[in-house]
Formats: sequence, structure tokens, C-alpha cells
Amino acid sequence: KQEVTQIPAALSVPEGENLVLNCSFTDSAIYNLQWFRQDPGKGLTSLLLIQSSQREQTSGRLNASLDKSSGRSTLYIAASQPGDSATYLCAVRGPWGAQKLVFGQGTRLTINP
Amino acid sequence: DVKVTQSSRYLVKRTGEKVFLECVQDMDHENMFWYRQDPGLGLRLIYFSYDVKMKEKGDIPEGYSVSREKKERFSLILESASTNQTSMYLCASSLFPRGTGVASYEQYFGPGTRLTVT
Repeated sequence: KQEVTQIPAALSVPEGENLVLNCSFTDSAIYNLQWFRQDPGKGLTSLLLIQSSQREQTSGRLNASLDKSSGRSTLYIAASQPGDSATYLCAVRGPWGAQKLVFGQGTRLTINP
Repeated sequence: DVKVTQSSRYLVKRTGEKVFLECVQDMDHENMFWYRQDPGLGLRLIYFSYDVKMKEKGDIPEGYSVSREKKERFSLILESASTNQTSMYLCASSLFPRGTGVASYEQYFGPGTRLTVT
């Protein structure tokens, strides 16, 4: 059974720092991995999707990498801003049901001004 | 932009009531999903649908049913609401895979419905 873990559960950093969020999964047979952002009490916003054949994807100050063989993905946020404060979730799809996402518990990020 | 809307942001119902949660997407997506999100348990899939009138159970379907009469609309039904169904409910949609080399597409989520059952 696929399990997705995000460590740490919470992270607090000063504004302007570059930071890395981690996501690990137990079964490397995935189709793709998706990173989301969730603001308190709100739905999920898709940030990046990496196909299993890709190593990384970039969008603005965000860069997501994928190492399928080791079961890891990272989300790199450059020059963090208070507006980046949110919970970040990763989720994977695979042969257990290609339309079914398995989510991690998320990392709650706080950027301090 | 993909838009997924949910009928209510906040809902309070009594135990035993029949509850309908509605979700509408405007991007002609084939797939639609219902999740619930609870502290410490994360997001869990309740049901999904890959076409009109088609549905499949997710990981926690007990106590729920769904209806998809039109492509753009996916309803979650709590037949007899119970307090353990108090939760945040999230709807999502995505395209069905086409061609080779792409197993699936991004899921787009609605704003969520915070349901409280008293």
C-alpha cells in the first residue's frame, strides 16, 4: 500500500530565506506527483505536477524535483515571502488506480516578516 | 482557468438529516472526485466518477452515496448524517487521460464545504 510522508509537519522561517519541503513515498511505481498549496479553511491549489519521466518542474519561485527510484520529491521555494505561508501537500498517482491520489499529511509553513 | 465550485462554504445539519453537497466544474472534465479532510488523517477519497452515471468507491465510501447525472455536476449525499461525518469536504475534477505517455492530469479542487453535524 502506497504511503506518503511529509517531514517536518511544521516549519517556520524568516522572510527572504530559500527553503526546501520534503515528500517521500514508499512505492516507487508512480505515474506522477503533484504539489498543492492549501490556505487555512480553503481548498487546494495545484502548484506543480511532475510526471514519472521528469526530474523537475519549475514555476516562478517554485521548483519541484522528483527522484522516483529513491521515493523522494522536494519543493524548493526561493526568496520566501509572508504570502507563501500555507500548508503544502504532495500527492502521488500510480497503478493502484491512476485517477486516485494518495496524499501526504502536509507541511504547515510559516514565513515570518 | 479551471473553476470548481461547491454549493456551500459552511453547512450545519442535524443528526439523521439527508445532506446534499453539490460540486460543479466548468472545464468539461470527465473525472470528478469527493474527498474529506480531517486533522491527523489528511485527505481521503470517498467516491469518484469518470463519466456521467459512472462511479467508483474510494477508500471510505461507507455512509455516503453520489450522483452524476450531468458531466459538469457531481453530488455527494449523506443519507443519514452522523456526527462522525463532521468534516471538510473537497471536490475535485480532472481530464481523463488521452494518448500515450501521460497517465493522468492535474486535479483541480473546489474551495471546500465545512460540514458540521450536531
